[in-house]
Amino acid sequence: DAGITQSPRYKITETGRQVTLMCHQTWSHSYMFWYRQDLGHGLRLIYYSAAADITDKGEVPDGYVVSRSKTENFPLTLESATRSQTSVYFCASRLDRGREKLFFGSGTQLSVL
Amino acid sequence: QKEVEQDPGPLSVPEGAIVSLNCTYSNSAFQYFMWYRQYSRKGPELLMYTYSSGNKEDGRFTAQVDKSSKYISLFIRDSQPSDSATYLCAMSPDRGSTLGRLYFGRGTQLTVWP
Repeated sequence: DAGITQSPRYKITETGRQVTLMCHQTWSHSYMFWYRQDLGHGLRLIYYSAAADITDKGEVPDGYVVSRSKTENFPLTLESATRSQTSVYFCASRLDRGREKLFFGSGTQLSVL
Repeated sequence: QKEVEQDPGPLSVPEGAIVSLNCTYSNSAFQYFMWYRQYSRKGPELLMYTYSSGNKEDGRFTAQVDKSSKYISLFIRDSQPSDSATYLCAMSPDRGSTLGRLYFGRGTQLTVWP
């Protein structure tokens, strides 16, 4: 499948558990991003990556870990999930630094009970 | 104060109406302005993109930027039920900054009823 895909689509977990959200893109885009979307806050950047093995914090990185060993994959891990991390998570990619357009996945709806 | 303010609505209009969606911002460094459309249970997709002040038209959609007032608008003419979605404004101080960060508004939920 071409494009940017996220998995799982829905996830329910309990507080304290580790959860990994997957993101895969087939375009060989350099930049990849993780956002969370919450009512009242809109989209907030968690982490981004400019290339394989290069990652950096965004606006709300606490409680999250990312890795990017391959260009096409950018998993997001919640090391010890908390209720405040209940949200819809979007992965996005962009071709390179000089491009404005972000391509978003369909999102993962995460509920932490 | 958030850097980008957007009324979340909801906004409900009849088919054929002209819709006006707006955002204000506080950071005068913003130069690139975008509108994303997000259908229910989908990711946002880029709808319009403008640089600096002025207007840009694409079919039924017109994006307007007034940097002096720190105000951007999206107009939808002859609105259709298929336009029902959440519209998010986004902006950036430079083109593809290293941080890659877009500053998003909260989104306005629009419903166009037949």
